[in-house]
Amino acid sequence: QKEVEQNSGPLSVPEGAIASLNCTYSDRGSQSFFWYRQYSGKSPELIMSIYSNGDKEDGRFTAQLNKASQYVSLLIRDSQPSDSATYLCAVVMAGANNLFFGTGTRLTVIP
Amino acid sequence: DTGVSQDPRHKITKRGQNVTFRCDPISEHNRLYWYRQTLGQGPEFLTYFQNEAQLEKSRLLSDRFSAERPKGSFSTLEIQRTEQGDSAMYLCASSLARAADGYTFGSGTRLTVV
Repeated sequence: QKEVEQNSGPLSVPEGAIASLNCTYSDRGSQSFFWYRQYSGKSPELIMSIYSNGDKEDGRFTAQLNKASQYVSLLIRDSQPSDSATYLCAVVMAGANNLFFGTGTRLTVIP
Repeated sequence: DTGVSQDPRHKITKRGQNVTFRCDPISEHNRLYWYRQTLGQGPEFLTYFQNEAQLEKSRLLSDRFSAERPKGSFSTLEIQRTEQGDSAMYLCASSLARAADGYTFGSGTRLTVV
């Protein structure tokens, strides 16, 4: 089992819809969770961090964490074509000093 | 400029040659990380520094790879005797004190070995 798993997609949603991106992780002791956005040919950009169970909202983005289910998700409301990118889930596992990344989910927002 | 800088942006080299990449982290960040990313994959951890000390190296960091951060500021990643399998994006990131603070990535160095 990989440390961090994501559906590679592609995920296509129409403009204005809600995009839902999911991630599971293997280490129950993980404490810190991140979502990065990566445009084609560019480096990852941090968009959300979450540390506690529940929801965290920042503009059109909502991160959701359920430690019991070892599951973290990202919702993008009112999706825009500019949101088309690969979204990487990253986790700091218990005792680790670095981020473990999933393979990413490619999102396409159709105008 | 308060971001993470990497140089060069692109490097094409012949198999067997040595290459060196440079990373300048955000000045107040103590931790510096190197990752490698291939097409369709997420970034894979290579190594990290706390100030000038290299504290962890991944199994991916073979003996052809070496990294330094001599004064706790910029870092270099050298690959000796490059192989075609080394072709990838090499990403540098920095964080304030811990990985849990979140990383800021540089723009990366894309290496192509021909």
